[in-house]
Amino acid sequence: GENVEQHPSTLSVQEGDSAVIKCTYSDSASNYFPWYKQELGKRPQLIIDIRSNVGEKKDQRIAVTLNKTAKHFSLHITETQPEDSAVYFCAASNNPRDMRFGAGTRLTVKP
Amino acid sequence: DGGITQSPKYLFRKEGQNVTLSCEQNLNHDAMYWYRQDPGQGLRLIYYSQIVNDFQKGDIAEGYSVSREKKESFPLTVTSAQKNPTAFYLCASTLNGNTIYFGEGSWLTVV
Repeated sequence: GENVEQHPSTLSVQEGDSAVIKCTYSDSASNYFPWYKQELGKRPQLIIDIRSNVGEKKDQRIAVTLNKTAKHFSLHITETQPEDSAVYFCAASNNPRDMRFGAGTRLTVKP
Repeated sequence: DGGITQSPKYLFRKEGQNVTLSCEQNLNHDAMYWYRQDPGQGLRLIYYSQIVNDFQKGDIAEGYSVSREKKESFPLTVTSAQKNPTAFYLCASTLNGNTIYFGEGSWLTVV
């Protein structure tokens, strides 16, 4: 089955700097890669996703890149703001029931 | 956002007691899921159901049971066989495709 590894586990940046979180996956059949943001005690919220037929996707300050050959994908947040502070999860699947999540990255943006 | 309601938000279980977490969705989604989240870890799949009256075990089904008598409802029972039930439980659903939408979550604590 799929196995997803996520790094780093914690990340601290200064407001305005960029943040990058990386994930690797094991199953070459995976074709869908979402990223979720979770604030303490709240539900994970989808912030961006990418499918395997695309190499990069952007949405304002957030971008995701996918390297299928190397089986890794990354989340890039530019011009970070304090409200970006949260736990971010990556995931990979080719079917929702097979979705596997990374362990999460706790991002802290210092004002 | 919204459309998936979990209750209760907080629940306490005594030793040897079964408890049931409610999950209701009004999104007309076919598939529903239950995940468990432990501190500092990603989400692990307990059970999923793709249609009414059908459900399948996920990665960590032992000590849990579910039912899917209605499309809108997918309750999770944490039985006394689950020896370490303290966790944050998330219900989720999908219509078709891969995007998973989460409920607000339920905190379960053993007392």
